[in-house]
Amino acid sequence: EAGVAQSPRYKIIEKRQSVAFWCNPISGHATLYWYQQILGQGPKLLIQFQNNGVVDDSQLPKDRFSAERLKGVDSTLKIQPAKLEDSAVYLCASSHQGEQYFGPGTRLTVT
Amino acid sequence: GIQVEQSPPDLILQEGANSTLRCNFSDSVNNLQWFHQNPWGQLINLFYIPSGTKQNGRLSATTVATERYSLLYISSSQTTDSGVYFCAAPAGDNQGGKLIFGQGTELSVKP
Repeated sequence: EAGVAQSPRYKIIEKRQSVAFWCNPISGHATLYWYQQILGQGPKLLIQFQNNGVVDDSQLPKDRFSAERLKGVDSTLKIQPAKLEDSAVYLCASSHQGEQYFGPGTRLTVT
Repeated sequence: GIQVEQSPPDLILQEGANSTLRCNFSDSVNNLQWFHQNPWGQLINLFYIPSGTKQNGRLSATTVATERYSLLYISSSQTTDSGVYFCAAPAGDNQGGKLIFGQGTELSVKP
């Protein structure tokens, strides 16, 4: 069974530029999550989808971050404009019966 | 909301040694996961263990839900065991909700 796929794996941008990340969850997993992991900390949820509906986006900085999950499968997370403090690893996860599985992440560096 | 605390924060072992990592949580849980984050940043599922004991090779885990803690045992450690170990529990009653992660235990196994 294929795992959670993410791209790109690495991205370097300048502040105020925009960036987008893509995630393809494990086949059949209805729930999809985006987490942000800052160096030295555990991951923290940005947004959770159930099929194509948003379940929890309380920690998403909506003035600059947006996410969508069209057709209830793939998802994209966008940052516009990026700030220096957005430098982090962005992890996508999907779940089945409560157990979450994580993709390899996208390491974003904002200069 | 639930708080998750891990100890110790750092651990250095000689190859072949055994170790125990602890995870305390502030509220009752219906889901608890242990992950290993390897040096490339990938979060690898180790155990999904809301209660009881599970074993997988040299690793085993025990969760005592009534006393709000979980333990991860690593026996005969190998250099490939190095990395950060996270435990995580869901934020609310929904076992599919966002995971709250501890700060992690950084393990270094020396040859």
